[in-house]
Amino acid sequence: QSALTQPASVSGSPGQSITITCTGTNNDVGRYNYVSWYQQHPGKAPKLIIFEVNNRPSGISSRFSGSKSGSTASLSISGLQAEDEADYYCSSYTTRSTEIFGGGTKLTV
Amino acid sequence: QLQLQESGPGLVKPSQSLSLTCSVSGGSINNNTYYWSWIRQHPGKGLEWIGYIHHSGSTYYNPSLKSRVMISVDTSKNQFFLKLTSVTAADTAVYYCARDLGGYTPFNWGQGTRVTVSS
Repeated sequence: QSALTQPASVSGSPGQSITITCTGTNNDVGRYNYVSWYQQHPGKAPKLIIFEVNNRPSGISSRFSGSKSGSTASLSISGLQAEDEADYYCSSYTTRSTEIFGGGTKLTV
Repeated sequence: QLQLQESGPGLVKPSQSLSLTCSVSGGSINNNTYYWSWIRQHPGKGLEWIGYIHHSGSTYYNPSLKSRVMISVDTSKNQFFLKLTSVTAADTAVYYCARDLGGYTPFNWGQGTRVTVSS
């Protein structure tokens, strides 16, 4: 199974908003609303920030939001802060009853 | 509060088997809602889903690793395990265990354990 496609990098200034895309196929992102997003700081474990396309776990800032259109999911971050600088990964459930991740996007603030 | 802790050898020789344990505290592996996942991250690279297990014993594996992977569970010890056979340098990675919501979302992660394959 091929990884979901994410841009290698995105950047923004403090206070601005950015969007990271995650493109899959009709066998994963396009088929199910089981798209998740993770934030990973250097040397740390990934942290879930969005699940089931647009739901935030308890304690996650409302500055983070998710959406999906067809086979492309998106993560939006508003009011960028320095601590948002990290790697971001998407994941999706697939028709093979497996999970698949995106290649990751490095966010520079 | 749920905690997951990976443990196992940090160095494995090529052609041997890699075996890791994930110890779960603050929650029961017997909960029907969750699957229990292994995920790895090669140095400087992205995340790769390895597979997961339900306490009932049902397993699902990444097709690219399926021939070399086995995930098992010991509900009495609240632990689950990863075994990867015939390892090569390409299996050098940080290995994470995670609690997976419904088999759709790795929700809670361990801190990860680094495994190096080298002679």
